[in-house]
Amino acid sequence: GAVVSQHPSRVICKSGTSVKIECRSLDFQATTMFWYRQFPKQSLMLMATSNEGSKATYEQGVEKDKFLINHASLTLSTLTVTSAHPEDSSFYICSAIPHYNTEAFFGQGTRLTVV
Amino acid sequence: GQNIDQPTEMTATEGAIVQINCTYQTSGFNGLFWYQQHAGEAPTFLSYNVLDGLEEKGRFSSFLSRSKGYSYLLLKELQMKDSASYLCAVEDGNTGKLIFGQGTTLQVKP
Repeated sequence: GAVVSQHPSRVICKSGTSVKIECRSLDFQATTMFWYRQFPKQSLMLMATSNEGSKATYEQGVEKDKFLINHASLTLSTLTVTSAHPEDSSFYICSAIPHYNTEAFFGQGTRLTVV
Repeated sequence: GQNIDQPTEMTATEGAIVQINCTYQTSGFNGLFWYQQHAGEAPTFLSYNVLDGLEEKGRFSSFLSRSKGYSYLLLKELQMKDSASYLCAVEDGNTGKLIFGQGTTLQVKP
């Protein structure tokens, strides 16, 4: 199956700093990628849809100025958590759907801890 | 609006059969996915149903009834490694987004 690589897998940062998470489709092009957040013992919540070459579409309640998304190429989307606070600590996961498939492939996820 | 319901937790015995139900109400429907997620890991794909009926894949089967807004995942010959969270997700026909249910945590006991 298709491979989606997410980096880093774990990151600890200080409150007030920014963290960048990368999501790459390794063997297919993805015009659209999705970013999810998952709190402990809860399901995945869609944060935003990342569109190559255009602005991301954010879900209701997600601050676009806090969670900056850049989809500069057909294989890379980045999520930057700006001015991170402890309540931003969560598991962030990206996914992408190849144009030839209906199945969404997920990255490995990034465990963010803000101290 | 979107609403997807699954039981929060289930317990079953090794070697047995378990059925995890999912009901949904969505504004648009393209298909329904089931994913397995072990703690701290990304979800892995199990099945995809777009037409009514049963899809069988080894020990796992998934059923869909579009008219009833209902699906289930059937796991046979349970193994200890099947202890995980099982996520039902509906693909919105209007946006292409995946909307996830809250997930069902399955515990398999010896």
